[in-house]
Amino acid sequence: QSVLTQPPSASGTPGQRVTISCSGSSSNIGSNTLNWYQHLPGTAPKLLIYHDNQRPSGVPDRFSGSKSGTSASLAISGLQSEDEADYYCAFWDGSLSAGVFGGGTKLTVL
Amino acid sequence: QVQLVQSGGGVVQPGRSLRLSCVASGSTFSSHGMHWVRQAPGKGLEWVAVIWFDGSKKNYIDAVKGRFTISRDDSKNTLYLQMNSLRAEDTAVYHCMRYNGNLGAFDIWGQGTMVTVSS
Repeated sequence: QSVLTQPPSASGTPGQRVTISCSGSSSNIGSNTLNWYQHLPGTAPKLLIYHDNQRPSGVPDRFSGSKSGTSASLAISGLQSEDEADYYCAFWDGSLSAGVFGGGTKLTVL
Repeated sequence: QVQLVQSGGGVVQPGRSLRLSCVASGSTFSSHGMHWVRQAPGKGLEWVAVIWFDGSKKNYIDAVKGRFTISRDDSKNTLYLQMNSLRAEDTAVYHCMRYNGNLGAFDIWGQGTMVTVSS
């Protein structure tokens, strides 16, 4: 069981806006910057959001991140079929020198 | 274009060893901390190990401490994961990743390599 809790699944129809939550505590989300990764099975995971809400170059602005207190969210607007993937929140715990991933959320585009 | 290309996976019996490799191209390999993560069948991503950019420090999840060793050869731009005393629960796809300190995130990932531990 991860210290970061994500819903196991989410879904939406093309064009919709969906959000995926990631909840933790003051010792993890509350005191570290959070990242989000997209993983299509059989491929290399991709960095979507870093520092809570920053997009690497090349990531569409349909993807956005936010954080408040001990919870964070990934929002995907204008949902597309190619967005169907697993999404993970994660952070680097410098005090433990260890990476921490949420359990992942499987997004289905209906 | 920075790439991480992995090799070394396969099927191995319990108790045996396997070494994974991850070759970096097009990047300043020696400037970055490097990590391994794994995904067991039907499960999520699990961070496994880290090696500092200069090799001065390493860390592992408890489940692999004493059995796995992460190392790097900067002259070959290569990251390794030596896996000894393998167990069925080590069965997973293993990915190597580059840590970007400016982003505070894993910005480049290897394609993954499957390790199956079975008799």
